Amino acid sequence: NAGVTQTPKFRVLKTGQSMTLLCAQDMNHEYMYWYRQDPGMGLRLIHYSVGEGTTAKGEVPDGYNVSRLKKQNFLLGLESAAPSQTSVYFCASGRGTTDTQYFGPGTRLTVL
Amino acid sequence: QQQVKQSPQSLIVQKGGISIINCAYENTAFDYFPWYQQFPGKGPALLIAIRPDVSEKKEGRFTISFNKSAKQFSLHIMDSQPGDSATYFCAASRAQAYNQGGKLIFGQGTELSVKP
Repeated sequence: NAGVTQTPKFRVLKTGQSMTLLCAQDMNHEYMYWYRQDPGMGLRLIHYSVGEGTTAKGEVPDGYNVSRLKKQNFLLGLESAAPSQTSVYFCASGRGTTDTQYFGPGTRLTVL
Repeated sequence: QQQVKQSPQSLIVQKGGISIINCAYENTAFDYFPWYQQFPGKGPALLIAIRPDVSEKKEGRFTISFNKSAKQFSLHIMDSQPGDSATYFCAASRAQAYNQGGKLIFGQGTELSVKP
């Protein structure tokens, strides 16, 4: 039981490049989330999904897109990376609105 | 209205002492208040959570105190140990609102260091 896994662990991009972060969970959770963590700002929700085929915007969605084609996977895309998107990105999953959110180990992204 | 404000930013406590971290919120619709613990290089993990129908919840050395009228809640770590050194985040959500998807609004985090 791997829990929540994230790929890649580290990535360096140049401004304007695109990339996709992959999140996978093996706990059969309906809900999945993408957060970014920046010093002094806690974790901020980018996008989330309440089930396969659904997505919704969080607090800071601009510059990001997501897809949930399969229940176990939640993809976060950056179409044209900007230095302001330098951050640590965490994926999380849970069974429901009052359930524990289980976090992945994070992806450290640097945009030059 | 969606903010959760956490203090202090950092905290140094001697081994065996009590660590206290405070959070305040504005949105009275919040009905679920978890605390997450994060070690360096790891993702956050749920530590303890409380609903607003109780004023206190204790799990081992960790206690949440909740003051609904003041819109404040706090984490108390009794007999703090060096292994408790981590970053702690409070959070809040509108858990009963299905269309909110269990979204968590996090505080800014508190970096706790417990000195031996």
